[in-house]
Amino acid sequence: DTGVSQNPRHKITKRGQNVTFRCDPISEHNRLYWYRQTLGQGPEFLTYFQNEAQLEKSRLLSDRFSAERPKGSFSTLEIQRTEQGDSAMYLCASRKTGSQETQYFGPGTRLLVL
Amino acid sequence: DQQVKQNSPSLSVQEGRISILNCDYTNSMFDYFLWYKKYPAEGPTFLISISSIKDKNEDGRFTVFLNKSAKHLSLHIVPSQPGDSAVYFCAASSSYNFNKFYFGSGTKLNVKP
Repeated sequence: DTGVSQNPRHKITKRGQNVTFRCDPISEHNRLYWYRQTLGQGPEFLTYFQNEAQLEKSRLLSDRFSAERPKGSFSTLEIQRTEQGDSAMYLCASRKTGSQETQYFGPGTRLLVL
Repeated sequence: DQQVKQNSPSLSVQEGRISILNCDYTNSMFDYFLWYKKYPAEGPTFLISISSIKDKNEDGRFTVFLNKSAKHLSLHIVPSQPGDSAVYFCAASSSYNFNKFYFGSGTKLNVKP
């Protein structure tokens, strides 16, 4: 069990640029989740995948955000035309399908938009 | 509209004593609750969970209590150790949509040696 990994761990970008983050879930987990965490707050749900299908998106996920999981393994989260308000920690989590089970989180990607 | 609330941003406890972290929720559909621990520069780590069919779940030094009528849960750590110093998040989900976790804003626990 290698755990959930995320890359990069840190990203600094200028306003208006596009950024892409990657998440590799635990290998046997077919459900993958993206969250955003801002300072002083808990993680907020953005979207989740079951295999390659994106099954739910939060209203927090504006049109500038897109997530993919093309082969049902790793996932990418892209933010286009970044804004300063996008600065946050972006967390990925994965879970096995089936009964209520916990989600296991990666270390996150911290984004700073200047 | 925050459905899970942790009203204490911080808590300081002496090593060896009990730490009690509290969490309140508003959505009566929530039936599965979790506690996560987070160290700086790391993602949240699962600690303990409880289903609404129980009112207590214990795992070593960690015990979670659920009071459904009060929509309240608490995490007890006995005895507290300096390595327990971290931010603790309470989370909740519903069996109607158990893919969506709702998190509180966290409580920063400091265990003093």
